[in-house]
Amino acid sequence: AQKVTQAQTEISVVEKEDVTLDCVYETRDTTYYLFWYKQPPSGELVFLIRRNSFDEQNEISGRYSWNFQKSTSSFNFTITASQVVDSAVYFCALSMDSNYQLIWGAGTKLIIKP
Amino acid sequence: EAEVAQSPRYKITEKSQAVAFWCDPISGHATLYWYRQILGQGPELLVQFQDESVVDDSQLPKDRFSAERLKGVDSTLKIQPAELGDSAMYLCASSFRGTVGEKLFFGSGTQLSVL
Repeated sequence: AQKVTQAQTEISVVEKEDVTLDCVYETRDTTYYLFWYKQPPSGELVFLIRRNSFDEQNEISGRYSWNFQKSTSSFNFTITASQVVDSAVYFCALSMDSNYQLIWGAGTKLIIKP
Repeated sequence: EAEVAQSPRYKITEKSQAVAFWCDPISGHATLYWYRQILGQGPELLVQFQDESVVDDSQLPKDRFSAERLKGVDSTLKIQPAELGDSAMYLCASSFRGTVGEKLFFGSGTQLSVL
């Protein structure tokens, strides 16, 4: 089965707190790609990161960091020192050699309170 | 920075009417996607074009939905007749070649409300 699970429907934190968004995926392919997209209230999905299955290095981009662990089939996203502008719905997605189409999680709505 | 253009931004229509959405992908992008997104859910692929050809329309309700990309550039998605359950955000996206692992660029979407 190919599936992406984002168990957290909604998270609410106060500005400057750190927050982690969970993503668990299922695939039998050995070659696959994982993505995170951000969807602000304006509606446009914005690409944040892509990681292939052979690269388990964690990545940091400013206040954003991603933890990819094949052993637990997880690709979690952490925002450090959150800001109000981080408020959005965040989607995790998967694509594989056997199925190029993106398989999307249901999304996590992140609310950052001032 | 190049963007995917979509219009209209919002569309309100009555049940049984026809509606059409337009998308202009980033110049040079061969692959164009139409997605439907229901509130609280992830996007659902409706149709994928490679240039002017349909690559996948397995999730497109063909009795009422149609999509075309005649010259392999811009695209139109039509619903006729619209039903109450069609109320959703319709997102267009494009990518350079449509290969595995490629990132997609999305437009701002058309929010459809069927009354």
